[in-house]
Amino acid sequence: AQSVTQLDSHVSVSEGTPVLLRCNYSSSYSPSLFWYVQHPNKGLQLLLKYTSAATLVKGINGFEAEFKKSETSFHLTKPSVHMSDAAEYFCVVSETEVTGGGNKLTFGTGTQLKVEL
Amino acid sequence: DTAVSQTPKYLVTQMGNDKSIKCEQNLGHDTMYWYKQDSKKFLKIMFSYNNKELIINETVPNRFSPKSPDKAHLNLHINSLELGDSAVYFCASSPRPSGNYEQYFGPGTRLTVT
Repeated sequence: AQSVTQLDSHVSVSEGTPVLLRCNYSSSYSPSLFWYVQHPNKGLQLLLKYTSAATLVKGINGFEAEFKKSETSFHLTKPSVHMSDAAEYFCVVSETEVTGGGNKLTFGTGTQLKVEL
Repeated sequence: DTAVSQTPKYLVTQMGNDKSIKCEQNLGHDTMYWYKQDSKKFLKIMFSYNNKELIINETVPNRFSPKSPDKAHLNLHINSLELGDSAVYFCASSPRPSGNYEQYFGPGTRLTVT
């Protein structure tokens, strides 16, 4: 069974400062990990994904995440946030179900990022 | 050129009614999904189809019935709507059912049951 824990439900930072959104996962297999972003009243957009290649993954809009197997973590960072980064961020783990072959995403509970002037 | 589209965007209906939500993807993907996002923003998978065949069926009341007429479409029909069905429903697609593939999400359908 797989699970995801996002350690902070809300994070507030000032514009132009760095941000860290924390995520820990649990998986029975070698997982694929994703970060998705959801702006208010919008669908989900993929920021970046890890699929057992490089452990430091670069995504869109200056975000990056580092896969640390020993810590079972996949934290998301950005060196300098913009007002437009204010949104809900979801850490996601994916396993292929052995029996049915389905690609089952398990979502974390989300972290709301607030960016202040 | 919308990749994953859903209709309607908003749906307000009364308890006991039957309603459908439609989803279409023009990405040529084999696999489609339905997710439910509750009022606390928690997202949970409901169903997945690969090439019109059901491959994931989570613990969902049998009032919910998905239907995939072809691999570009996955519709969700809900019978006897209840207050607890109020949520945002997202459709998604991926090239294959494997865990390595990212999923592309539609804009969501906000269902309100009164």
